[in-house]
Amino acid sequence: SYVLTQPPSVSVAPGQTASLSCGGNNIADKSVHWYQQKPGQAPVMVVYDDSDRPSGIPERFSGSNSGNTATLTISRVEAGDEADYYCQVWDSTTDHYVFGAGTKVTVL
Amino acid sequence: EVQLVESGGGLVKPGGSLRLSCVASEFTFSDYGMHWVRQAPGKGLEWVSSISSISSRIYYADAVKGRFTISRDNAKNSLFLQMNSLRVEDTAVYYCARVLGGGHGYWGQGTLVTVSS
Repeated sequence: SYVLTQPPSVSVAPGQTASLSCGGNNIADKSVHWYQQKPGQAPVMVVYDDSDRPSGIPERFSGSNSGNTATLTISRVEAGDEADYYCQVWDSTTDHYVFGAGTKVTVL
Repeated sequence: EVQLVESGGGLVKPGGSLRLSCVASEFTFSDYGMHWVRQAPGKGLEWVSSISSISSRIYYADAVKGRFTISRDNAKNSLFLQMNSLRVEDTAVYYCARVLGGGHGYWGQGTLVTVSS
């Protein structure tokens, strides 16, 4: 089955840029989606289809996908960005959605 | 604004059954594929099942295939998950979600299912 690999944690100072990676075999051939989840809340989609943003998501959130790594970039990080972030793809080989294990973003 | 409201969760013994419901509003329900995603306490997100807009395509995670059944009633703007032969490891918050692009663009607040003797 397809596996997505995310670092368990990332720390970033306010105003700086956070880069969250999501690794997978030839992930560039798939569409990657990203979700933000704060404690006790439902997930919120922040990027879909590699680099599109849903309505209402700030431009500070951007996505890219190349080779074996997809990246969610959070620019000008704010305290409110502290959350868990999950990447996800559709694996057409198995007809399954796959989530990464998530990255906890801590704002210093 | 898209709204999704889940219900039907609760405490059930191993081997028991539950039926989850998700009522949708503020969009044309019959135009969109829908999903169930769960999250065990303190764990990450796990996709459970998906159904296309007219129920022509249905998919299940290996962990639930043969035990869970996804369905929808477009006339009632409702999505369902029939869960049979429940196991302790099925304990989780279950979310329904609507398609956006290729992913899960809108989520409900979730309903807690606890499987315990």
